[in-house]
This record gives sequence, structure tokens and C-alpha cells, in this order.
Amino acid sequence: KQEVTQIPAALSVPEGENLVLNCSFTDSAIYNLQWFRQDPGKGLTSLLLIQSSQREQTSGRLNASLDKSSGRSTLYIAASQPGDSATYLCAPSKSSGDKLTFGTGTRLAVRP
Amino acid sequence: GAVVSQHPSWVICKSGTSVKIECRSLDFQATTMFWYRQFPKQSLMLMATSNEGSKATYEQGVEKDKFLINHASLTLSTLTVTSAHPEDSSFYICSAQTGTRATGELFFGEGSRLTVL
Repeated sequence: KQEVTQIPAALSVPEGENLVLNCSFTDSAIYNLQWFRQDPGKGLTSLLLIQSSQREQTSGRLNASLDKSSGRSTLYIAASQPGDSATYLCAPSKSSGDKLTFGTGTRLAVRP
Repeated sequence: GAVVSQHPSWVICKSGTSVKIECRSLDFQATTMFWYRQFPKQSLMLMATSNEGSKATYEQGVEKDKFLINHASLTLSTLTVTSAHPEDSSFYICSAQTGTRATGELFFGEGSRLTVL
């Protein structure tokens, strides 16, 4: 059974810092991995999707890397802004379009 | 990107009543939809996998008679919480995948907050 852990559980930083959010998963036989953002009381917004054959994906100030063999993914946020404050979730999938297993999330607060 | 819509976004009901939550894929056909449940400050837990035209597959520990799932069309899945009780109060989120996308990306609805009094 896939288990996903995210570290740190919570993070508070001043605006402008570069951040690293970590995700580890126990079963490395994944098809892809998605990173999501969740604002309080809201649904999930997809940020990045990495296929198992890829090493990284970038979108604006976000960069996600994947080391499938060691069961790790990292989300880098450059030049953080208060609007980045949210909970960030990673979720690997075992096959295309299959259910996702979610981590416990990292709750990020960026102070102005 | 593909859009998934949930309705209602929030609902308050009395204990013992039933509540239906709809999940629609607006611009694509979803052969499979997933229903998740999220308690405050916790992660999402998969409840069931809904397949168009067939019975849903429930995760271990989820009561199928209490959480009725119907996926009657390629754009609509419904979750009915029957005889709701206060412990059913939670945030319910659906997601959908389109079989034509080779990436396997899943798209999520905005969530439905259920409060049972």
C-alpha cells in the first residue's frame, strides 16, 4: 500500500524566500506524480504533473523534481509571495488516470 | 485544462436526512470519477471509484449502503449520503480523468462541505 509523507508539515517564511517542499513515497512503481495547491475550504488546484520518465517539470516560479527510484519528489518555489500561502499536496498514481494517494500536505504561510 | 464542477458547494442538513452531491465534468467525458473525503486539517482519503455504467468500487471501511454512488453518464457522478449523522460532516471532493489523456492527469472539483446538525 502506497504511503506518502510530506516534510515539513508547516512552514512560515518571509516574502521573497526560495522554498523547498519535500514529498516521499514508499512504492516507487508509480506512473506519475501530481503536486496540488489547496486554499482553506477550497478544492484542489493542479500545479505540476511529472511523468515517471521525467526528472522535473517547471511552471513559472514552480519547479518539481522527481527521483522515482528513491521515492522522492521536491517542489521548489522561487521568490515566494503572500499569495503562495496555502497547503501543498503531492500525490503519486500507480497507473494512468488511476486514483491518487495523497500526502499529509505542507501548510505554507508567506509573511509580507 | 479540464473543468470539474461540484454542486452544492456547501449544504447543512438535519440528522437523519439524505444529501446528494453532484460532480460534473464540464468539457470532457469522464469514464472514471473518484470521491474523496477530507476532515479538518487532514489529507484527502479516497472513498470510492465511480465507473460509468457500472457499480462503484468502495475503499475498505467505507459503507456502500451509506454512501451511494451513481455514475449514470459520462459527465455526471453523484454521491448520496443517506441518513446523515453529525460524524458524516466533512468536505467531499470529486475528481475525474478522461481516458483520452495519456498523461493520466486528474482534475478536481471545488469540493462540497457537508454539515449535519
